Amino acid sequence: GAGVSQSPRYKVAKRGQDVALRCDPISGHVSLFWYQQALGQGPEFLTYFQNEAQLDKSGLPSDRFFAERPEGSVSTLKIQRTQQEDSAVYLCASSPGSSNYGYTFGSGTRLTVV
Amino acid sequence: AQSVSQHNHHVILSEAASLELGCNYSYGGTVNLFWYVQYPGQHLQLLLKYFSGDPLVKGIKGFEAEFIKSKFSFNLRKPSVQWSDTAEYFCAVMEYGNKLVFGAGTILRVKS
Repeated sequence: GAGVSQSPRYKVAKRGQDVALRCDPISGHVSLFWYQQALGQGPEFLTYFQNEAQLDKSGLPSDRFFAERPEGSVSTLKIQRTQQEDSAVYLCASSPGSSNYGYTFGSGTRLTVV
Repeated sequence: AQSVSQHNHHVILSEAASLELGCNYSYGGTVNLFWYVQYPGQHLQLLLKYFSGDPLVKGIKGFEAEFIKSKFSFNLRKPSVQWSDTAEYFCAVMEYGNKLVFGAGTILRVKS
């Protein structure tokens, strides 16, 4: 597609529920990033894939967060046993592979845990 | 690890006023710097970036930024703002592993 597509746009989850957030990067983009943006804050890095390899997951806040990109294209961010502090906008970004291009961001998924 | 400070959280300007948004990062060496903009209801978009060379970088929509290494700064400027520039602006520095470290953002409101 023309841009990075994320679904769903909005998700309301009950505390303790598991959620899965999807990211469709731009076709052919090698690098894929997930960021978390809390209200009033800038995006914070969660994890980074190069093709199907997860090269950096240092930003994942707990072992309840898990990301995968099994075929090197679509990625899923899964949050198990959601808690209120997980409420945020989750952003996905992709790039061709060279940092010289910057990154293209999706519109994000707004997760609200109630 | 890098950190990024954006000094103004909210800025209100009248149309045609000049804009300067401050951005400082925490430590030096070779840095790649970015400004992103998020218009209401839209996704983050790249305004401009600095990797090397001329420290005065020109971006889209008349924006420019100046990299001053001695001050660890990368301030965003526009000589004359328009109502359509109302948005949130984020400064970011690229850290090892190609990940971006963002500032907290500056919300700009331009009064028509």
